[in-house]
Amino acid sequence: GAVVSQHPSWVICKSGTSVKIECRSLDFQATTMFWYRQFPKQSLMLMATSNEGSKATYEQGVEKDKFLINHASLTLSTLTVTSAHPEDSSFYICSAKGDREYQETQYFGPGTRLLVL
Amino acid sequence: DQQVKQNSPSLSVQEGRISILNCDYTNSMFDYFLWYKKYPAEGPTFLISISSIKDKNEDGRFTVFLNKSAKHLSLHIVPSQPGDSAVYFCAASGLDGNEKLTFGTGTRLTIIP
Repeated sequence: GAVVSQHPSWVICKSGTSVKIECRSLDFQATTMFWYRQFPKQSLMLMATSNEGSKATYEQGVEKDKFLINHASLTLSTLTVTSAHPEDSSFYICSAKGDREYQETQYFGPGTRLLVL
Repeated sequence: DQQVKQNSPSLSVQEGRISILNCDYTNSMFDYFLWYKKYPAEGPTFLISISSIKDKNEDGRFTVFLNKSAKHLSLHIVPSQPGDSAVYFCAASGLDGNEKLTFGTGTRLTIIP
């Protein structure tokens, strides 16, 4: 149990375009989802926390108008990088936390590597 | 400001021996600590955790030790196996009810057959 998927796993886009990344909990209901980014040889940095049906809470320094997060259902959250620029190139990872047996820890997706040209 | 630090970027250990991975933290409000294992191009997978009311937690080959006064925790893997080769992250969360995790920079563990 506790599988989290992300789509796409890889995306290359031109500067100025928008990219949407999906995060799904496959076998449990995710009451809370988290979005992280990781630069090479650095730790995972939390970008935002979202609860189903409410607005995401962004960490300090993360532009909410640039990184749009939608947690539309208990199994799906999306991160849209708007007007992407080369400095947005990174590894984006989502995680999900549920209730009952799925509340002990965050379950991570496999990540999405974004390259902005 | 790196609140969770893993000062060894890499570690090599002979198969069958003990692997010890270390982690230090600066925020005294952290009260729950976790270790994750990560393979390339995959998300982290949960290994083991410890609450600040304990100083040791064991699960099979994995043991986590917490020294609150020193703000230090360590993960022991014994015996080490080739499949343990991965990047290990320690993470911490706080007393304020916030579920967010603060991650360390990771230690790449290589088990030598």
